[in-house]
Amino acid sequence: AQSVTQLGSHVSVSEGALVLLRCNYSSSVPPYLFWYVQYPNQGLQLLLKYTSAATLVKGINGFEAEFKKSETSFHLTKPSAHMSDAAEYFCAVRAAGNKLTFGGGTRVLVKP
Amino acid sequence: GAVVSQHPSRVICKSGTSVKIECRSLDFQATTMFWYRQFPKKSLMLMATSNEGSKATYEQGVEKDKFLINHASLTLSTLTVTSAHPEDSSFYICSAEGSGLHEQFFGPGTRLTVL
Repeated sequence: AQSVTQLGSHVSVSEGALVLLRCNYSSSVPPYLFWYVQYPNQGLQLLLKYTSAATLVKGINGFEAEFKKSETSFHLTKPSAHMSDAAEYFCAVRAAGNKLTFGGGTRVLVKP
Repeated sequence: GAVVSQHPSRVICKSGTSVKIECRSLDFQATTMFWYRQFPKKSLMLMATSNEGSKATYEQGVEKDKFLINHASLTLSTLTVTSAHPEDSSFYICSAEGSGLHEQFFGPGTRLTVL
């Protein structure tokens, strides 16, 4: 079975500050890992994905994530938060089969 | 590319009626489509997986007679909420995956409100 844990249901950052969203997973097979962003009343937009190539993955909107097998982590970062980054972020793992398992989500608030 | 649409985006219905939600892949052939339900301030819960031309596979606890899924073509899947009740009010999101893509593309969601 696979699972995803996102530490912190809410994160508040100041505009221009580092954004760090934590994601830990469990999987019995090498996983594919994803970060999605969701704005209110919208679907999910893919930020980036890890598919067993480079461990440091760069995505859209200045986000990146690093796959650390030893820590079973896939934390998402952005060096400088923008007001438009305020949204809900979901980490997801895909292991055996094609189902995605989502973390509980982290809501990011950006203070001016 | 890889655009998925949903229709309607928002629907309000009376208790006891049935509501159909459409999910379409606009620029690729979706061999598999997924239906999720999302409660307010919660994560996505997978309801069912459907492959074109075959019966949907429902997750544990999801009533197949309540939530009818049809995947009649490689670009269209429908979710019908039968005899809807207020507790069925939720945000329903579909996603689609094409052969060999290893990635699901999500629709914009449908907000269902049952009065």
